[in-house]
Amino acid sequence: AQRVTQPEKLLSVFKGAPVELKCNYSYSGSPELFWYVQYSRQRLQLLLRHISRESIKGFTADLNKGETSFHLKKPFAQEEDSAMYYCALTAAGNNRKLIWGLGTSLAVNP
Amino acid sequence: DAGVIQSPRHEVTEMGQEVTLRCKPISGHNSLFWYRQTMMRGLELLIYFNNNVPIDDSGMPEDRFSAKMPNASFSTLKIQPSEPRDSAVYFCASSLTRWETQYFGPGTRLTVL
Repeated sequence: AQRVTQPEKLLSVFKGAPVELKCNYSYSGSPELFWYVQYSRQRLQLLLRHISRESIKGFTADLNKGETSFHLKKPFAQEEDSAMYYCALTAAGNNRKLIWGLGTSLAVNP
Repeated sequence: DAGVIQSPRHEVTEMGQEVTLRCKPISGHNSLFWYRQTMMRGLELLIYFNNNVPIDDSGMPEDRFSAKMPNASFSTLKIQPSEPRDSAVYFCASSLTRWETQYFGPGTRLTVL
């Protein structure tokens, strides 16, 4: 079965420190992976997707098929990065609905 | 564009009452999704529509839940009768196609007493 695991419910770092939000997935085929973010009092929105291979707001994520991971990283965290982050997977095929992780709440302290 | 619009933003009701949540997707988007978010289970896809047709309703918890999309600009999610365990935030999202980026509404926070 397809599954997305975000092992940390809460991650707290200091401003300027590196941050890594972990995401592991379970899927036997070729998945598409996404990170969505929900800032306080704002809508859930797409942060980045692995096929675009871009850096958004200093965040990057690399798909590691060997480790079945798609960890989100930023070298220097900012206070405005504090938010809820969700990893999601969609599987190839006709019924490609998103499978979501439970989310990680990132708190960046001054 | 105002984005995806949901109403009401907050709903407090008593057990046994009917609850109707409403969603207006972004104009031109062909896919619409209903999600439920709770602390315990995170984001769960309840149902999604493509071109107003329900494609996958396997996430609908039970017969008390129903969803309709009578036209491209409006969808409803109905719970009848409501129960306290239905308390959650319900999100609507739309996308250009079912595989594109999903744009979320602000959510409806439902409390069933």
